[in-house]
Amino acid sequence: GENVEQHPSTLSVQEGDSAVIKCTYSDSASNYFPWYKQELGKGPQLIIDIRSNVGEKKDQRIAVTLNKTAKHFSLHITETQPEDSAVYFCAATYGNNRLAFGKGNQVVVIP
Amino acid sequence: GAVVSQHPSRVICKSGTSVKIECRSLDFQATTMFWYRQFPKQSLMLMATSNEGSKATYEQGVEKDKFLINHASLTLSTLTVTSAHPEDSSFYICSAVQRTSTSGTDTQYFGPGTRLTVL
Repeated sequence: GENVEQHPSTLSVQEGDSAVIKCTYSDSASNYFPWYKQELGKGPQLIIDIRSNVGEKKDQRIAVTLNKTAKHFSLHITETQPEDSAVYFCAATYGNNRLAFGKGNQVVVIP
Repeated sequence: GAVVSQHPSRVICKSGTSVKIECRSLDFQATTMFWYRQFPKQSLMLMATSNEGSKATYEQGVEKDKFLINHASLTLSTLTVTSAHPEDSSFYICSAVQRTSTSGTDTQYFGPGTRLTVL
């Protein structure tokens, strides 16, 4: 099956700075990589995703990059704001649309 | 668009009782839904794949007789935790797959979760 590793486990940034979270995956057949934001007591919210036919995707302050050769992908958040504080999960597909999740990254934006 | 709801959001029950959780895709049809369980400060663990019109597929280690899944329509899947015990207390989250193209991978949207506490 797919194994997704995510690091760092926690990340503190000053408001306005950038945050980067990196993930690696093991299954070379994976072709879809979503990122989810989860606030306390809520379900995960899809914030951006990337498919294997592109190397980068951007949506306002959020961007994702994918390196299929090295099997890693990263989430970039620029101009961080306090409302960006949450747990972020990366995921990769395997077998029949199933998602394997990383362990999550607690991002804390310090005002 | 792509909204998924769950009901109830929170449930407390006595040990030995059964609890049903509903997952609905509100603005799209989903032939496939997934059920996850999440313990505090941990990641999401896939429990099973719910397929409309057919039996659910369970992940290794998940008891199918304890976690009954029914995908009755293209917008509704239910998870019933039978004979619940305190160790079943967890955050249960469903997701629904929205087909975005005829080829490639579809997009998975999550519900808000159901907090189950078994006394």
